[in-house]
Amino acid sequence: KNEVEQSPQNLTAQEGEFITINCSYSVGISALHWLQQHPGGGIVSLFMLSSGKKKHGRLIATINIQEKHSSLHITASHPRDSAVYICAAPGLNTDKLIFGTGTRLQVFP
Amino acid sequence: DVKVTQSSRYLVKRTGEKVFLECVQDMDHENMFWYRQDPGLGLRLIYFSYDVKMKEKGDIPEGYSVSREKKERFSLILESASTNQTSMYLCASSHGAGGLSGANVLTFGAGSRLTVL
Repeated sequence: KNEVEQSPQNLTAQEGEFITINCSYSVGISALHWLQQHPGGGIVSLFMLSSGKKKHGRLIATINIQEKHSSLHITASHPRDSAVYICAAPGLNTDKLIFGTGTRLQVFP
Repeated sequence: DVKVTQSSRYLVKRTGEKVFLECVQDMDHENMFWYRQDPGLGLRLIYFSYDVKMKEKGDIPEGYSVSREKKERFSLILESASTNQTSMYLCASSHGAGGLSGANVLTFGAGSRLTVL
């Protein structure tokens, strides 16, 4: 069982829709990471959080430590948000990051 | 603007060739990492380094080696490339002592897509 699981694997939306991507992890963590990967490969770190909520522009990340669950929300989605979104958390007995397999988001005009 | 630069975006090599993938960061980061990314799998750690001349195996080190002679440069070496090493390779770096990236923000390079024929 993967220690970090994301859902859904694929997501399509119309421009303007509210988007939610979920991430569940199986062990206690120091911090959970959300990353964005555009076509072409480069990965950008969006958030690192260990409690509560963080907001950057139209992106909001939340985490529930008790439930071992995090969500990434995109408000007023836009075609330029089309990308793969990846969550990552340290694994069991290690501080090395374990990466989810990603959620591929496509936003259509 | 902070940067991690990977020397080649696309490479095509033949089975048995020696392959060098170079990564340079300009942020004075202590930690550097090499990952590979394959469809349906999350990023997997090949090797990492938390200091000059130091290296640690990641989850899938077989068939790879690394070199870190200078703080800003971390090289991944495929001694004898094989077709199952066809993949996207991503270099990353982070600040912070101790090497592991759990609580440190990672900065990634643009990736190197390697095809081994």
